[in-house]
Amino acid sequence: DAGVIQSPRHEVTEMGQEVTLRCKPISGHDYLFWYRQTMMRGLELLIYFNNNVPIDDSGMPEDRFSAKMPNASFSTLKIQPSEPRDSAVYFCASSPWMNTEAFFGQGTRLTVV
Amino acid sequence: AQTVTQSQPEMSVQEAETVTLSCTYDTSESDYYLFWYKQPPSRQMILVIRQEAYKQQNATENRFSVNFQKAAKSFSLKISDSQLGDAAMYFCAYLEETSGSRLTFGEGTQLTVNP
Repeated sequence: DAGVIQSPRHEVTEMGQEVTLRCKPISGHDYLFWYRQTMMRGLELLIYFNNNVPIDDSGMPEDRFSAKMPNASFSTLKIQPSEPRDSAVYFCASSPWMNTEAFFGQGTRLTVV
Repeated sequence: AQTVTQSQPEMSVQEAETVTLSCTYDTSESDYYLFWYKQPPSRQMILVIRQEAYKQQNATENRFSVNFQKAAKSFSLKISDSQLGDAAMYFCAYLEETSGSRLTFGEGTQLTVNP
């Protein structure tokens, strides 16, 4: 398997624009996670899905953020409108079942100017 | 809420030497999992080692081993025979059995390996 695949790897956008980050989890993994990494807050969980259903979105910072998982092989994280403070590395990760390690993608570095 | 603390923001080691990275955590649970992840400059988060809290035996993976002290809520990572490729940010992470697989990460320790 190719591992968790994220796109794009880098994204630079202007404040106010819509940003969509994409993720393809490892085939057969039931859990999908979106994490955000910043210098100030470290790695924090934004939302996770189990079998395509959002289970916990308590980490989503505000209504400008939304995530979807329309099928087992694809998920998106959308920010609309984007703000400079959203600049961070966004990771997607998946795991095969509950209570096991997560496998991470290479992350998307988002810069909002 | 569970917290994970890595008190060493930076560590350095000479090539071929041994280094230990510290991690403590706070929990009232008895069933949980602990992990060490490595993040090299490529940004990829790579699993180094895992430990189940119910296991008394410390986990080992080649040159990597842990010292798991459940009563002290301590989970340190020992890297033996350090190599230049070990240079990275290391994150300790906690997963509670009832949390639905959500990981809580420490702040990270930046490891430098000197030739």
